[in-house]
Amino acid sequence: SYEVTQPLSVSVALGQTARISCGGYNIGSKSVHWYQHKPGQAPVLVMFSNHNRPSGIPERFSGSNSGNTATLTISRVQAGDEADYYCQVWDITMVFGGGTKLTVL
Amino acid sequence: QVQLQQWGAGLLKPSETLSLTCAVYGGSFSGYYWTWIRQPPGRGLEWIGQINHSGTTTYKPSLKSRVTISAAPSKKQFSLKMTSVTAADTAVYFCARLAYCGADCYPVDNWGQGHLVTVSS
Repeated sequence: SYEVTQPLSVSVALGQTARISCGGYNIGSKSVHWYQHKPGQAPVLVMFSNHNRPSGIPERFSGSNSGNTATLTISRVQAGDEADYYCQVWDITMVFGGGTKLTVL
Repeated sequence: QVQLQQWGAGLLKPSETLSLTCAVYGGSFSGYYWTWIRQPPGRGLEWIGQINHSGTTTYKPSLKSRVTISAAPSKKQFSLKMTSVTAADTAVYFCARLAYCGADCYPVDNWGQGHLVTVSS
C-alpha cells in the first residue's frame, strides 16, 4: 500500500516561513491535499490538488508537489497557524501522512 | 453552507458494535462521496471508508471485515457500523464529504464535528 511520510514536528519563529514536507514514491504524479487540525476541532482543508487554496484560506498558504516530495509553505507565520498539518493522497484508498506538529516560537 | 451533524453511542464494551450516523444539512447528497475518518488519542488521521449516493462503498483493507458504511439518500444520512470493537478502536470519529477535483483527486472539504467513541470494559 502507498505510504506518505511527514516530519513529526516543525518549529518556526513568528513572522517567518514554515515548510512542511510530505514524502512518497513519485508523489509528484498524485494530487496532494493538506489539512490544518487544531485540538478539539474538525480538520480544515487548507490546500487541494497540490497548490489550490480553498475559499477563505489566506494567500500566506501555498503548496507545491514534484518528484518524491510535496510541500506546504506558510509565509509570515502567525500564532494562530500553530496546529497539526496532514497531507493526504488517493491511491485506491485514501492515505494520510502521519501529521506534522507546527510550533510557532 | 454544508453542515454535517453526527451522533451515536460514546461508550462501548469490547466485542460490541459501534454505530454512528451523520446527517447532511444545507447541500446536496447525490453527486458526492461520503466518508468516515477517525483519530485515535495522540495519533494521526485514519481513513475508514466511503460511500456514494448510489451505495458504492470502498473500505480500508485492514478494517473491511468489520466495517459497513450505508446511506439513506432520502434522509441525507449515512452511517458507520463497526463490529467486534476493541480498545484499539477508541478514537474521535469524523464524518465528512469528499469533493472531486479530477482523476484520483478527492479532498475532504466538509467535516462533522467529531464524536469520541471509547471502548472500555
